[in-house]
Amino acid sequence: DAGITQSPRHKVTETGTPVTLRCHQTENHRYMYWYRQDPGHGLRLIHYSYGVKDTDKGEVSDGYSVSRSKTEDFLLTLESATSSQTSVYFCAISESMAGGGTEAFFGQGTRLTVV
Amino acid sequence: QKEVEQNSGPLSVPEGAIASLNCTYSDRGSQSFFWYRQYSGKSPELIMFIYSNGDKEDGRFTAQLNKASQYVSLLIRDSQPSDSATYLCAVTGSGTYKYIFGTGTRLKVLA
Repeated sequence: DAGITQSPRHKVTETGTPVTLRCHQTENHRYMYWYRQDPGHGLRLIHYSYGVKDTDKGEVSDGYSVSRSKTEDFLLTLESATSSQTSVYFCAISESMAGGGTEAFFGQGTRLTVV
Repeated sequence: QKEVEQNSGPLSVPEGAIASLNCTYSDRGSQSFFWYRQYSGKSPELIMFIYSNGDKEDGRFTAQLNKASQYVSLLIRDSQPSDSATYLCAVTGSGTYKYIFGTGTRLKVLA
């Protein structure tokens, strides 16, 4: 299994509070991603990173921010949690390969409930 | 139009049959195509990837890619009850490492 650890695995928080989810990798992969998964919507990209301090928005980035100060860590922050952000959050990593194309490996997921 | 489309299912097949899962994508510049399997409550795990037109086989799994039709499929031969899961199609575009996922097809293999 790819060395990806998400923390916490489960969290319940109140509306309006900030929340930070952590993704830690031991694979030294360049690319890191945060997805959310909701019934009927599949996996949707929130933000991704293509290097230390290099990040870009995905399709559902509103209300989220990210930071990557080290290769191994990618943090996702919900600035002021809302009930619509109740979801399962997955971190993923990938690395470019000669010839192009590479697969993404996923962490175990974080189940976040905003009440 | 969603960038990657899959029939949500459920697709029910009897044990031992061939399951055929389909995916279409809208970006003609897409270069890499992936199939993931996700069991309920678990994270997605890679089954196969394909980059070139044609078929790619790995054990009981065959991925098929037709870039002209913007279509990728996954065939599972000799389906087993343990294959019952949601299958996610993912695509990366030209010059990008963003993985865009379909909503997944739920497969049920009936014993």
